[in-house]
Amino acid sequence: EPEVTQTPSHQVTQMGQEVILRCVPISNHLYFYWYRQILGQKVEFLVSFYNNEISEKSEIFDDQFSVERPDGSNFTLKIRSTKLEDSAMYFCASRGTGGSNYGYTFGSGTRLTVV
Amino acid sequence: AQSVTQPDIHITVSEGASLELRCNYSYGATPYLFWYVQSPGQGLQLLLKYFSGDTLVQGIKGFEAEFKRSQSSFNLRKPSVHWSDAAEYFCAVGTSGGYNKLIFGAGTRLAVHP
Repeated sequence: EPEVTQTPSHQVTQMGQEVILRCVPISNHLYFYWYRQILGQKVEFLVSFYNNEISEKSEIFDDQFSVERPDGSNFTLKIRSTKLEDSAMYFCASRGTGGSNYGYTFGSGTRLTVV
Repeated sequence: AQSVTQPDIHITVSEGASLELRCNYSYGATPYLFWYVQSPGQGLQLLLKYFSGDTLVQGIKGFEAEFKRSQSSFNLRKPSVHWSDAAEYFCAVGTSGGYNKLIFGAGTRLAVHP
């Protein structure tokens, strides 16, 4: 079964550093997402991406965050200057189109720890 | 605004007992509904989904869920729980228009006693 692949699985970074979280969505999917889950809390929507641009973003997704699909296969989330409160599990997801293809597939997540 | 409520934060059941996890949603149009399971430190695994048609949907691992429009509910059930079902369960609603983000409930943590 097709998978969404996320790398790295764990990342520790110092406060103020830039991090890039990487995702390889399912190849025939057209919609891409990032979600965040702070430890012990619910999964929160960050941003959706379609047709090479951001289609929707949440209040969490401020100027410190950016997304990119640099080469047609990878989908990245960049945090420009990390803060302690950015520590969380970050999930990438991709989605097919309607009918039986409609469904989200999540990656296994990247656990980001900011120290 | 769309929202999902999972009223039970923690549930404990005995192995072999039946299980029902509650989920209520708020959404003006026809919702797309999902149940995900998350083991500690792991990702989100899709258990089942509802888009339309038969309101009773079957999923993996012996789970099923029933969509009740009149009650705005999508409760998850399993007739006999196994110890390996201990995990956190998330209900989510996907908007049927636009770019279809998922909105998650706060989750229900299931503990299974032997």
